[in-house]
Amino acid sequence: DTAVSQTPKYLVTQMGNDKSIKCEQNLGHDTMYWYKQDSKKFLKIMFSYNNKELIINETVPNRFSPKSPDKAHLNLHINSLELGDSAVYFCASSYGGGLGETQYFGPGTRLLVL
Amino acid sequence: SQQGEEDPQALSIQEGENATMNCSYKTSINNLQWYRQNSGRGLVHLILIRSNEREKHSGRLRVTLDTSKKSSSLLITASRAADTASYFCATLASGGSYIPTFGRGTSLIVHP
Repeated sequence: DTAVSQTPKYLVTQMGNDKSIKCEQNLGHDTMYWYKQDSKKFLKIMFSYNNKELIINETVPNRFSPKSPDKAHLNLHINSLELGDSAVYFCASSYGGGLGETQYFGPGTRLLVL
Repeated sequence: SQQGEEDPQALSIQEGENATMNCSYKTSINNLQWYRQNSGRGLVHLILIRSNEREKHSGRLRVTLDTSKKSSSLLITASRAADTASYFCATLASGGSYIPTFGRGTSLIVHP
């Protein structure tokens, strides 16, 4: 059974398009995250939701909008994609409100904006 | 600002040798975690060490934490080719921060 799953695994799209990445966890965790990993492997947190409520929103352009329909899902919608959005996006989950507990990561979504 | 910084950026060793990676951070922390990332995959949690702990073991992994120096080390003993991966430290700053901060990782290559 996949603990944290993301779809799609690969996403190639044109500048200006709108796209969504979906994330689901079946671990019963109450906190979910989105991270962006750039080409230099620097992993930066974007958002964190605890019990469907936003608790972390780092300096991310408002073209990025997370949506959490329930505790098991945290989707990422990106409007007006730009070249600089090309990266690998990881979803993760944990239990405990994000207080440094172990995070379980999805396999990543490789986004390439042309 | 970025919290954890791993050192070295890259490490190449032969199978059977030990591999040591270091992580330095800037502010007081609640805990520090080490993760492994195989090429093209997500991160996998290895060990969590809390600020009041000095050393933890898990199989061939040994993690130390020196809060006075604001540094941690990950030692992999008797390395195997399958240990080839990138290793990241993640810190959670004390003071109520909910933001885990990752470094850029150490890329480890273990030659068979």
